[in-house]
Amino acid sequence: QSALTQPPSASGSPGQSVTISCTGTSSDVGAYNYVSWYQQHPGKAPKLMIYEVSKRPSGVPHRFSGSKSGNTASLTVSGLQAEDEADYYCSSYAGSNNFVVFGGGTKLTVL
Amino acid sequence: QLQLQESGPGLVKPSETLSLTCTVSGGSISSNSNYWGWIRQPPGKGLEWIGSIYYSGSTYYNPSLKSRVTISVDTSKNQFSLKLSSVTAADTAVYYCASPSVAAIDQFDYWGQGTLVTVSS
Repeated sequence: QSALTQPPSASGSPGQSVTISCTGTSSDVGAYNYVSWYQQHPGKAPKLMIYEVSKRPSGVPHRFSGSKSGNTASLTVSGLQAEDEADYYCSSYAGSNNFVVFGGGTKLTVL
Repeated sequence: QLQLQESGPGLVKPSETLSLTCTVSGGSISSNSNYWGWIRQPPGKGLEWIGSIYYSGSTYYNPSLKSRVTISVDTSKNQFSLKLSSVTAADTAVYYCASPSVAAIDQFDYWGQGTLVTVSS
């Protein structure tokens, strides 16, 4: 059982927007603005898409955005494209005992 | 651009120790104020943080694995290593080494390609 809770699946048509949630607790997501999101295509290593809740690394399209409210973080993908179909994982800093926790992952399907 | 590459046996017997090495290129493992981490992914499942080592040698482990994990760094070889003892079939996974672009234990910008380790007799 993962520390952070994500829906197993999400879907949307090309051009639409989809939001993936990541629910933690007041000890991780709710306590720190250190939530990251990773994209993973089959057989590939994860790729950092969002860090510190809403910041995008260089090269990540502006279609990807992140936010947080309370103990829940969210990743929104706008203007869905076929290449966005992948697994998405959230992670959070969880303090000086647990350090880093991941969500169970969400499979995003572009219909 | 930092590059990471995992290496080590792909098959380990139950109760033995899994040993992996991550070779860093494109930068010095000791020149940046940085963390170097290990993450694993069982087949068909999600990511699990195993632990990280700071460039100074301080280590940080997942509490659920802490009793079996040792992460170390070899600055002369620009490598860091993972040892996981008393392995069982549940430790079968793709093991990734990863690091951030800044001194943040929880952020992984750079990843190795991953190496599958199977625990089986």
